[in-house]
Amino acid sequence: QQQVKQSPQSLIVQKGGISIINCAYENTAFDYFPWYQQFPGKGPALLIAIRPDVSEKKEGRFTISFNKSAKQFSLHIMDSQPGDSATYFCAPLHPAGTASKLTFGTGTRLQVTL
Amino acid sequence: NAGVTQTPKFRVLKTGQSMTLLCAQDMNHEYMYWYRQDPGMGLRLIHYSVGEGTTAKGEVPDGYNVSRLKKQNFLLGLESAAPSQTSVYFCASSRADTDTQYFGPGTRLTVL
Repeated sequence: QQQVKQSPQSLIVQKGGISIINCAYENTAFDYFPWYQQFPGKGPALLIAIRPDVSEKKEGRFTISFNKSAKQFSLHIMDSQPGDSATYFCAPLHPAGTASKLTFGTGTRLQVTL
Repeated sequence: NAGVTQTPKFRVLKTGQSMTLLCAQDMNHEYMYWYRQDPGMGLRLIHYSVGEGTTAKGEVPDGYNVSRLKKQNFLLGLESAAPSQTSVYFCASSRADTDTQYFGPGTRLTVL
């Protein structure tokens, strides 16, 4: 059962362009919607996250847009830089029981070219 | 603070061998997790722990055992390694009152 579908699988963007990564989910019990960033040879690290009570959250060049009715959320990277080249995962969280159970998407490999 | 550390960084096993991966965190986090990452499949939760002496199964627990004898350490064991367990293993930790997980650098395991 694939609860989280992430697209595209890979993305090439020119420096200064906008990168957009999408995540669709099925489980309406998810109540926390983070994006994690992973550089080669490293573990994932939280980039930005949103709660379902707001439709958009912006932190610097990174923005999450959330559409509860469509069960989708997306990551927008404005003015993309070569240093943004990494793999990005959406990982919505299910609050049931104890512990923070993240459900990871399959990842999007972003390459920002000069 | 070192954050989350994992030992070893790389390991090659033969089918049927056993090994233990060690995860340590110095952030006094209550919760700890073990994930595996395979190409094209994202990260999948193997086991997790909500406190010292407690463990629970995640999405893909078969073939693995865990123990959390001390709050700062979470061990992942493979009793009889199989080629299907070739993967990159990540440990993570989090506070009980937040949803942010902090990941270690990973252990690349190859089972021949």
